[in-house]
Amino acid sequence: GAVVSQHPSRVICKSGTSVKIECRSLDFQATTMFWYRQFPKQSLMLMATSNEGSKATYEQGVEKDKFLINHASLTLSTLTVTSAHPEDSSFYICSARDAHTGELFFGEGSRLTVL
Amino acid sequence: GQNIDQPTEMTATEGAIVQINCTYQTSGFNGLFWYQQHAGEAPTFLSYNVLDGLEEKGRFSSFLSRSKGYSYLLLKELQMKDSASYLCAVRGGGATNKLIFGTGTLLAVQP
Repeated sequence: GAVVSQHPSRVICKSGTSVKIECRSLDFQATTMFWYRQFPKQSLMLMATSNEGSKATYEQGVEKDKFLINHASLTLSTLTVTSAHPEDSSFYICSARDAHTGELFFGEGSRLTVL
Repeated sequence: GQNIDQPTEMTATEGAIVQINCTYQTSGFNGLFWYQQHAGEAPTFLSYNVLDGLEEKGRFSSFLSRSKGYSYLLLKELQMKDSASYLCAVRGGGATNKLIFGTGTLLAVQP
């Protein structure tokens, strides 16, 4: 079946550094990908919609300059957390929509810990 | 605005039946999804409803009433491995069809 791969699955970084998380659709093309954040014992909160070849659409309250999203190809979207702080520590999950079928697939998630 | 509500926690007994409710108020509606999520893992798709009525899939069933903004997930013959969070998600209308998740319900299945 279709697979969405996220990398890295776990990352620990120092406060003030930037971290890049990749989301790849392995066997389908995805014109749209979504980035979610999940804090412990909470549900998934949509951060932004990533559109191939154009700017991402951010949800209200999400800082676009802090969470940089790039969707340069039909199979890859990246989320860069810039100048990370401990409060950015969270589980980040992407999902990718198959351009042909419209079906949505989730990545395995990336756990970010900022010290 | 968008509002998708679920009970925060539920407890049920192995072998029993449990119903997890979801109410929603969203701008646009293009389907409702149920996902299962174990701690530290990505959500796993369970069911999808776009028309009113009941969708059955093995031990899991999901019901939708669009006029009432209401859905439920029914789990039968509960097993210990069903202990997880259950997430209701609504796909809005528009070009992006983005998926908005509810608050999630943590289900604990006891022996």
